[in-house]
Amino acid sequence: DADVTQTPRNRITKTGKRIMLECSQTKGHDRMYWYRQDPGLGLRLIYYSFDVKDINKGEISDGYSVSRQAQAKFSLSLESAIPNQTALYFCATSRINEQFFGPGTRLTVL
Amino acid sequence: GESVGLHLPTLSVQEGDNSIINCAYSNSASDYFIWYKQESGKGPQFIIDIRSNMDKRQGQRVTVLLNKTVKHLSLQIAATQPGDSAVYFCAGRIQGAQKLVFGQGTRLTINP
Repeated sequence: DADVTQTPRNRITKTGKRIMLECSQTKGHDRMYWYRQDPGLGLRLIYYSFDVKDINKGEISDGYSVSRQAQAKFSLSLESAIPNQTALYFCATSRINEQFFGPGTRLTVL
Repeated sequence: GESVGLHLPTLSVQEGDNSIINCAYSNSASDYFIWYKQESGKGPQFIIDIRSNMDKRQGQRVTVLLNKTVKHLSLQIAATQPGDSAVYFCAGRIQGAQKLVFGQGTRLTINP
């Protein structure tokens, strides 16, 4: 059941720190995504990648960067974390349409 | 672009009753829709999807209805069980685009 894994699951950090969230998948999918979830706002797309050489900005990419190290790995970085980046972060993968989500990373920026 | 919204942020139903969760979308070029269920502390899980060339699709205890005329879709859950308590999201995709746009979610509570 751990087709999409995220590390860490929880992280508390301070303003200005650099943070990396990691995602790995064993589904063999080419497409990977990073979403942010805030209460009452649903899921918002940060970045997505359709293969190792393809990176695209989503609707809220400011303050974030990503790296697609391999087909199975897609990491999200916050270069200088700020408190309004406190949220639940989800990684997802897909072959075409249906997206499979990881368990999420709860990030708190103090 | 596309916006997707759910009509009610919360919904409570009695165990055993049927529930209907509604969703509206803005772009008539949307060609694919999907419903997700998110339980507390977990990532969203796929429930059912539907393409725009269909009006209805059924799964196990769930039915999705799509009304393209009024740009509305609904998720019907039959004979609700305690395990159905969760937040439900609809998402849509504009034809030719590769991204899903998610609604805000409806929290469904099943009362015993």
